[in-house]
Amino acid sequence: KAGVTQTPRYLIKTRGQQVTLSCSPISGHRSVSWYQQTPGQGLQFLFEYFSETQRNKGNFPGRFSGRQFSNSRSEMNVSTLELGDSALYLCASSLVEGPQETQYFGPGTRLLVL
Amino acid sequence: QKEVEQNSGPLSVPEGAIASLNCTYSDRGSQSFFWYRQYSGKSPELIMSIYSNGDKEDGRFTAQLNKASQYVSLLIRDSQPSDSATYLCAVSQLSGGYNKLIFGAGTRLAVHP
Repeated sequence: KAGVTQTPRYLIKTRGQQVTLSCSPISGHRSVSWYQQTPGQGLQFLFEYFSETQRNKGNFPGRFSGRQFSNSRSEMNVSTLELGDSALYLCASSLVEGPQETQYFGPGTRLLVL
Repeated sequence: QKEVEQNSGPLSVPEGAIASLNCTYSDRGSQSFFWYRQYSGKSPELIMSIYSNGDKEDGRFTAQLNKASQYVSLLIRDSQPSDSATYLCAVSQLSGGYNKLIFGAGTRLAVHP
């Protein structure tokens, strides 16, 4: 079974631009979570989508948004990019609901904001 | 107080030794606990999950959970240089009726020949 895929793998943008990242979960997985990873802050939870609905949201500004499509693929968007948005953005998908839900990560998208 | 705490390391062990990685968490209601391994420049890879108090073994890896002490650990037996990576502890937390994962900052493990 194919794993979680993310596109693009690398991105370079300039301040003020916007960016859209894509994530395709493992087949059959309906939950997709997004994380931001930086050397200083570690892995920070952005949001989680299940059946096209946002179920959880982390403490990020409104510039960070996401959505999920009916085929469970998800996108996240960052508007008005800032230098501090440079990070590895990770997507994780999971199958089982409830406390035994296990997340599997994609390879990530490395974003550099200049 | 951070929700999930890990010693950042580096933890340096000789090849063949046992590496012991520790994690404490603050939410007593947490039900699920995970260890991920992350090589430099790569994404986290699931190693173990544990849900009940006690030990869970998988090959060279043993996860230990003590909910009363809010403590979870990972033991790596017969450590190999290929085990050198950052190990992330993740704990589920109920939020808005659903679980989300909270990650520790990770412990960097260095296994030297």
